[in-house]
Amino acid sequence: AQKITQTQPGMFVQEKEAVTLDCTYDTSDQSYGLFWYKQPSSGEMIFLIYQGSYDEQNATEGRYSLNFQKARKSANLVISASQLGDSAMYFCAMGGTSYGKLTFGQGTILTVHP
Amino acid sequence: DTEVTQTPKHLVMGMTNKKSLKCEQHMGHRAMYWYKQKAKKPPELMFVYSYEKLSINESVPSRFSPECPNSSLLNLHLHALQPEDSALYLCASSQAGTDYQPQHFGDGTRLSIL
Repeated sequence: AQKITQTQPGMFVQEKEAVTLDCTYDTSDQSYGLFWYKQPSSGEMIFLIYQGSYDEQNATEGRYSLNFQKARKSANLVISASQLGDSAMYFCAMGGTSYGKLTFGQGTILTVHP
Repeated sequence: DTEVTQTPKHLVMGMTNKKSLKCEQHMGHRAMYWYKQKAKKPPELMFVYSYEKLSINESVPSRFSPECPNSSLLNLHLHALQPEDSALYLCASSQAGTDYQPQHFGDGTRLSIL
C-alpha cells in the first residue's frame, strides 16, 4: 500500500519569498513516481512537477523544484519567488505499480501575502 | 488553457433526475479517469478507462455509470443521486501503460443534488 503524508494543513508566505511544502511517502514499490498538483479555489487541478524514483537529479519546472530525498522518503516542493497567484491548495501524489491509481496526500493550503 | 475539457461547469439536479457529465481530451491519451472531490479533501478515484475499456471501478455505486465512446471522450451518467453525491467531479487523462505519466485534469463539474 502507498501512503502520502502532508503535515502542513496551511502555510503562509510573503510575496517574493521562497516556500517549501512538505511531503513524505511510504511504499513498498521499487519504482514509482511523485507528483505535485496545484488546485486554486476555482477547482481545476494543475500538474506542476514530476519526479521518478530512479531520477538522480531533482526535478525543476520554472519556479518549482522538487527536493527529492529517497532515503528519507521525502519529496518536498519548493516554490521560489512566491506570487499572489500561487495561493491555492497543493497536493502531493504518488503513482506506483497499481496501474492508474494516484495516491494523494491531504493537501496544504498556501496563502501568499502581499 | 486546459487540454481536458469538462461540461457542464456547474450542474444542479434533483434526486430523480438523469444527467450526464462529459469530458473530452485532445492530448492523444489512452487512459481516462473520473474522480470525486469533496471540499478541502483530495480527489477520490472512481473509474479508470484504458484503451476505451473499463479497467478500474473503485466500488462506485451503480447510480454512477461511466462510458467511454472513443479515445477522446468520457462520460459519466448520473441517475437517482443522493445529496451526499454533491461534489466536484474531475476528469483526467494520461498516457496509458504506466503509472508514471502525470494525469492532466479538466476544470471539473460542480454538482449539487437537491
